[in-house]
Amino acid sequence: DQQVKQNSPSLSVQEGRISILNCDYTNSMFDYFLWYKKYPAEGPTFLISISSIKDKNEDGRFTVFLNKSAKHLSLHIVPSQPGDSAVYFCAARNNNAGNMLTFGGGTRLMVKP
Amino acid sequence: DAMVIQNPRYQVTQFGKPVTLSCSQTLNHNVMYWYQQKSSQAPKLLFHYYDKDFNNEADTPDNFQSRRPNTSFCFLDIRSPGLGDAAMYLCATSRAPQGAGETQYFGPGTRLLVL
Repeated sequence: DQQVKQNSPSLSVQEGRISILNCDYTNSMFDYFLWYKKYPAEGPTFLISISSIKDKNEDGRFTVFLNKSAKHLSLHIVPSQPGDSAVYFCAARNNNAGNMLTFGGGTRLMVKP
Repeated sequence: DAMVIQNPRYQVTQFGKPVTLSCSQTLNHNVMYWYQQKSSQAPKLLFHYYDKDFNNEADTPDNFQSRRPNTSFCFLDIRSPGLGDAAMYLCATSRAPQGAGETQYFGPGTRLLVL
């Protein structure tokens, strides 16, 4: 049973436009959410996170929104740049159960010049 | 630069032949993790070490073992690799196992091919 799902395996966006990557979860015990970015032949790198006590966290071009009632979070990238082309993983954890991350399957973002 | 290093980046082994993947870190983190990631799937946690304490995930096959001889190094041993064990193996570290501010830092991964 997948507790964290990224239903879109890929997304294509024009440079300068907004990229919206979505993630849904089923475990209501998750209280911390993270986004990782992965380039080919590299390991995932941490991008941005949000605690369940917030509904928005912004860092430069990246904003993560959390809708707890819908068990849904999204990552917005604006404006999108070709260098943002990568696979984006959503991850969640229950802070009361250690630092164990449950990952989604990833969304491949392609930003076209 | 402080980092998580995995060697080799690509490993080819034969069906049933034991293989060891290595991970080292210069971050001086207390926790080290091993993940298995198959193509187009989410990384799956196999086990982790908090200092010397080993924590195995319930569904990790017995075929997979791990060693952490010191803070900097952690090894993944696959005793009898099967074709289904071909995957990317990711090592990660974190300062502590809990805490809202904690995140995990990943190495580049080792891609294992089983012939």
